[in-house]
Amino acid sequence: EPEVTQTPSHQVTQMGQEVILRCVPISNHLYFYWYRQILGQKVEFLVSFYNNEISEKSEIFDDQFSVERPDGSNFTLKIRSTKLEDSAMYFCASSARVRGETLHFGNGTRLTVT
Amino acid sequence: DQQVKQNSPSLSVQEGRISILNCDYTNSMFDYFLWYKKYPAEGPTFLISISSIKDKNEDGRFTVFLNKSAKHLSLHIVPSQPGDSAVYFCAAHGPVQGAQKLVFGQGTRLTINP
Repeated sequence: EPEVTQTPSHQVTQMGQEVILRCVPISNHLYFYWYRQILGQKVEFLVSFYNNEISEKSEIFDDQFSVERPDGSNFTLKIRSTKLEDSAMYFCASSARVRGETLHFGNGTRLTVT
Repeated sequence: DQQVKQNSPSLSVQEGRISILNCDYTNSMFDYFLWYKKYPAEGPTFLISISSIKDKNEDGRFTVFLNKSAKHLSLHIVPSQPGDSAVYFCAAHGPVQGAQKLVFGQGTRLTINP
């Protein structure tokens, strides 16, 4: 069964550094998402992306965050200047449609900001 | 902003018995509900969903019940198996953003005891 893949599985960075989290969504999917889960808390929506632009974003997704689909297969999340509170599991997801559709999640990237 | 709430952080059930996981929501605009299962170090995996036009959906050992008047849904697993031990997340979305903006509950850790 096709799956969403994320790299790296674990990223450690110093506060203030830029990080790029990478994802390869399922190939025939059109909608792409980033969610995050701070340790012990709920999974939170960050952003959705369709037709090469952001379609929805949450309050968490401020100017420090950006997303890009640089080619036909990758979908990236960039955090420009990481803060300690950005430490979390970041999940990429994709779906073929947006109504009545389930999201397929990757295994996540654990981001640790020191 | 807790639009989706899972009030039981954990649940322990004996193998072979029924597991019942509960979820409440406050946003009456939600029209699609999903249950995801999550193992450690993996992303959430879709389990079962239900549209607001239905009150029950069954898939093998898993049944989801929706009570719209009470804004409550539940997931029944019967019989429970050791492999069902995981964190279960309830999620919901509304008609406008659709799956572009899933709202998750905090999760319930289910432990199946042999």
